[in-house]
Formats: sequence, structure tokens, C-alpha cells
Amino acid sequence: NAGVTQTPKFRILKIGQSMTLQCAQDMNHNYMYWYRQDPGMGLKLIYYSVGAGITDKGEVPNGYNVSRSTTEDFPLRLELAAPSQTSVYFCASSSELENYGYTFGSGTRLTVV
Amino acid sequence: AQSVTQPDIHITVSEGASLELRCNYSYGATPYLFWYVQSPGQGLQLLLKYFSGDTLVQGIKGFEAEFKRSQSSFNLRKPSVHWSDAAEYFCAVGTTGGGNKLTFGTGTQLKVEL
Repeated sequence: NAGVTQTPKFRILKIGQSMTLQCAQDMNHNYMYWYRQDPGMGLKLIYYSVGAGITDKGEVPNGYNVSRSTTEDFPLRLELAAPSQTSVYFCASSSELENYGYTFGSGTRLTVV
Repeated sequence: AQSVTQPDIHITVSEGASLELRCNYSYGATPYLFWYVQSPGQGLQLLLKYFSGDTLVQGIKGFEAEFKRSQSSFNLRKPSVHWSDAAEYFCAVGTTGGGNKLTFGTGTQLKVEL
């Protein structure tokens, strides 16, 4: 029972580079989310999805893009990395059948230099 | 818009002592409330949740929380803390409509002294 799997766990990017953070869940959850966590700031919602083909912006979407072509996968794309995107990124999923409690991945620590 | 305040950034307790972590929320309707715990380098794990009904909810690892509508609070408690409880704790408020988005507090770092 893998739950939510995030890859990679660590990454260093140069300013202006692009990358995709991968997220996959095997619980058939319809809701998926991307949060970033910065020290002392809690978690901020970047993007979320209520099902395959449907995505929407969260609180801090600038500089990011997402897609949801399948129920299982919800990748996060950084097009032109900036130092302000240095953070820990968490993917999560939930469903009505589990009373909306989130299952989190273990996170991706990204450093932009 | 909903919001969550965790007024204590750091708390230190002795092992075996009782614990209470504070959480205040702002939301126009009946909130859905959650407590999560994060160990260093790990993701967040759900401790407990309140949706409706009994205002005292029990969670994993011996934690409980009480929903007090009059005080807009959802404080987390444990009668006797263990050294392994040292971690960061996050309170969150959510809604079931609009994608079930959760708004998190800024967290409380718990240190346990042996």
C-alpha cells in the first residue's frame, strides 16, 4: 500500500531551469493537492484538482503549472526556476469516502541557486 | 476566507507532563477541523479530525482535541507526553465544497525534555 509517492526527494536547480515534480497515488482518491512549506509559514496551497482533467489555482500558483490526465498522477511543473521557489513541496490526496482527511507524500526538497 | 492561528511557535514540556496545543480558526460556517503531526524530514500524518457530533474527538497516539464553537478553538491535548511526541504540529480548517481545500496554521514545534 504505497499511498502518495513523490519523486524526486531532493533536487538542486539553477535559476531559469525547469523541472517537474512527480506525484502519484494508488488510493483512487479524486482530490489531489500541491502545497509548499516554508519555515514558520505553514503550508500554502499551490494548485489542486477535483478529478482527472480538472485543476484550479490555490493561494500561491504563480510560477507553477499542473495537469491531471489520470486519477493517479498530478505532476507539478516549474518552468523558470527562481530562488523564491526554494521550498519543500508536498503532494496530498483525499476523498469523500475517507472523510476528507489528507494523505501526504514524503515531500520534495527543492533548492534553486 | 478561512484562517487558522496557532499562537505558540515553540512549546517545551517534560516527558510525562500533560500537553495542550492551541488552535483558533476563522470560518463563517461549521468548520471541518484537523490536526496533523510532522516529524523531521517527513510528510504530515493525520492525528484526528472533527466533522460534526461529539465535540471531543479522539485520535491516534493518545491525542484528543475539543471543538469549542463559542471560542472558535480546536485545542489538541495529551495527558502524558512521550519523548517520541517531539515534532511539529499543524492545525487545519477545511470545507467539503470547492475541492476540500485545507488552510493550515503556521505550526507549533514541540520539544520534549527527558
